[in-house]
Amino acid sequence: GIQVEQSPPDLILQEGANSTLRCNFSDSVNNLQWFHQNPWGQLINLFYIPSGTKQNGRLSATTVATERYSLLYISSSQTTDSGVYFCAVGDTGANSKLTFGKGITLSVRP
Amino acid sequence: DVKVTQSSRYLVKRTGEKVFLECVQDMDHENMFWYRQDPGLGLRLIYFSYDVKMKEKGDIPEGYSVSREKKERFSLILESASTNQTSMYLCASSYSALGGTEAFFGQGTRLTVV
Repeated sequence: GIQVEQSPPDLILQEGANSTLRCNFSDSVNNLQWFHQNPWGQLINLFYIPSGTKQNGRLSATTVATERYSLLYISSSQTTDSGVYFCAVGDTGANSKLTFGKGITLSVRP
Repeated sequence: DVKVTQSSRYLVKRTGEKVFLECVQDMDHENMFWYRQDPGLGLRLIYFSYDVKMKEKGDIPEGYSVSREKKERFSLILESASTNQTSMYLCASSYSALGGTEAFFGQGTRLTVV
């Protein structure tokens, strides 16, 4: 099956700093999502981005499908950005089973 | 807004009990999924369903079964709960379409088996 690797595994930032989270995947995909897991465990959808670039406020994401990677950018980080960020990819086909990376734990310090 | 609702946030069960985890979605999605999340292992797919009464095994189906009698509801069943099934369980749903579609998750159920 598809392998998904996220880096770095842990990231500590000072409030106001910018960061880049990376997701590499081993095969062609037709679905890629970024999630933020809140302290209560719920996965919050950040981006559905199988290709291209999207922006939502201080967050943006880029997926280069031909080179099998995606990047999540966080600008002017805030303490509320802390948590675990997951990249998940879906294989080809209609069922869109997602394979998750192990996540990146982000800590933003005041 | 898409809503995926899991019946319990926290659950404590005894070893050997039969446990039902329920998930309901309100967006008429064809696909529904059950994942479990464990520290260091990330999220792993247990079972999924792409239509009523249809089911397929995911990566770790052992010890679990599922039921989908209605399109909006997908149940995960632990026939005889064991301590190694203590975990966070997450349900998701999505439309079925070639090219893939966005999945939405419920709030999760933290199950402890004692």
